[in-house]
Amino acid sequence: AQSVTQLDSHVSVSEGTPVLLRCNYSSSYSPSLFWYVQHPNKGLQLLLKYTSAATLVKGINGFEAEFKKSETSFHLTKPSAHMSDAAEYFCVVTEYGNKLVFGAGTILRVKS
Amino acid sequence: DAGITQSPRHKVTETGTPVTLRCHQTENHRYMYWYRQDPGHGLRLIHYSYGVKDTDKGEVSDGYSVSRSKTEDFLLTLESATSSQTSVYFCAIRKGTSGASTDTQYFGPGTRLTVL
Repeated sequence: AQSVTQLDSHVSVSEGTPVLLRCNYSSSYSPSLFWYVQHPNKGLQLLLKYTSAATLVKGINGFEAEFKKSETSFHLTKPSAHMSDAAEYFCVVTEYGNKLVFGAGTILRVKS
Repeated sequence: DAGITQSPRHKVTETGTPVTLRCHQTENHRYMYWYRQDPGHGLRLIHYSYGVKDTDKGEVSDGYSVSRSKTEDFLLTLESATSSQTSVYFCAIRKGTSGASTDTQYFGPGTRLTVL
């Protein structure tokens, strides 16, 4: 069965510095992978998704993620953090039939 | 905006009472899902539906039932609520054109349920 491990439960960065949120996955077949963001007391918003077309995926708000099959990783990055990026981020892998398997989440704090 | 609404948005109830949460979509999608969100667990699938009257269990289905009598509505029922069912509940719909694993799920705003 698929599984997802988000390696950091909390990440703290200063505004204007790079963001790295780490995600490793386990999948028995070619997975689709997603990053969702959840701002406080809000629903989940899709940031980006990988579906085997290109290993480097660009998403909304300047985020991108690179699929590395050899490392079974799908880390999320952004060159320069903004205060509005403070939120919880979820890495997600699909199971057969489009059942989503979520990581536990990473809370991103952005310091001014 | 995927045209998903959930009602109620907040509910406080007592142990042993029945509770029904409603998810409504306006875009006629076939697949709908119910998840619960708890700290440290991300979201976990409770039940899903692949058409009117067609439903199946997810990872954490015990204590929950669902019904879908028309395309636009997917109901989640807690027959006898327990404190362990205090959670935030999210509904989702699935959009896509290229195949099941590459489709994208879009989420509603959530319902915060507290069982005392």
